[in-house]
Amino acid sequence: EIVLTQSPGTLSLSPGERATLSCRASQSLTNYLAWYQQKPGQAPRLLIYGASSRATGIPDRFSGSGSGTDFTLTISRLEPEDFAVYYCQLYGSSPSWTFGQGTKVDIK
Amino acid sequence: EVQLVESGGGLIQPGGSLRLSCAASGFTVNSNYMSWVRQAPGKGLEWVSLIYSGGATYYADSVEGRFTISRDNSKNTLYLQMNSLRAEDTAVYYCAGIVSAGTVGDYWGQGTLVTVSS
Repeated sequence: EIVLTQSPGTLSLSPGERATLSCRASQSLTNYLAWYQQKPGQAPRLLIYGASSRATGIPDRFSGSGSGTDFTLTISRLEPEDFAVYYCQLYGSSPSWTFGQGTKVDIK
Repeated sequence: EVQLVESGGGLIQPGGSLRLSCAASGFTVNSNYMSWVRQAPGKGLEWVSLIYSGGATYYADSVEGRFTISRDNSKNTLYLQMNSLRAEDTAVYYCAGIVSAGTVGDYWGQGTLVTVSS
């Protein structure tokens, strides 16, 4: 069973700052790693798929990188609407789909 | 515009059954992968089930043998039949339509709340 560990649990930053979120997999299986944003009371929103491809309509301040077991979501300059919870998700063998526990980006 | 609208949630006693529906517009259920994802109150996201366009189905270990995903092509609707419900199944259930490989959803519904309690 794949375990995804996201860090940090909470990231406190100011608008305009750079955010770097980490997602580590317990084993290296695929690079089908996705990132989602979720705001309170809303459904998740797909940001990144295939570790580094932006989903349709996602601003280019969001970027994904990494391979193997270590993946990163970077938000180059935080906008007020970017303060939210972010989840990584990995497609693995069996097949199965696993989420990390989430990183909350809040306003400092 | 893609719209996914879930329904069927509510309060159910432990051991009971419930069927969730997800009506799609602007997105063809039987031509795409579709999934169910849930979120317990105050908790993170958990993948529940997924159906491939070819009909293959997959389930999380936590619901295997109790939940069944299906679709009605004529109604362009996805379903989740949930049996032997437990308190730990209490969550908002989202349906999602998948376009991007390896993901659980590009398009999401607004969610429907299932509460399992006596």
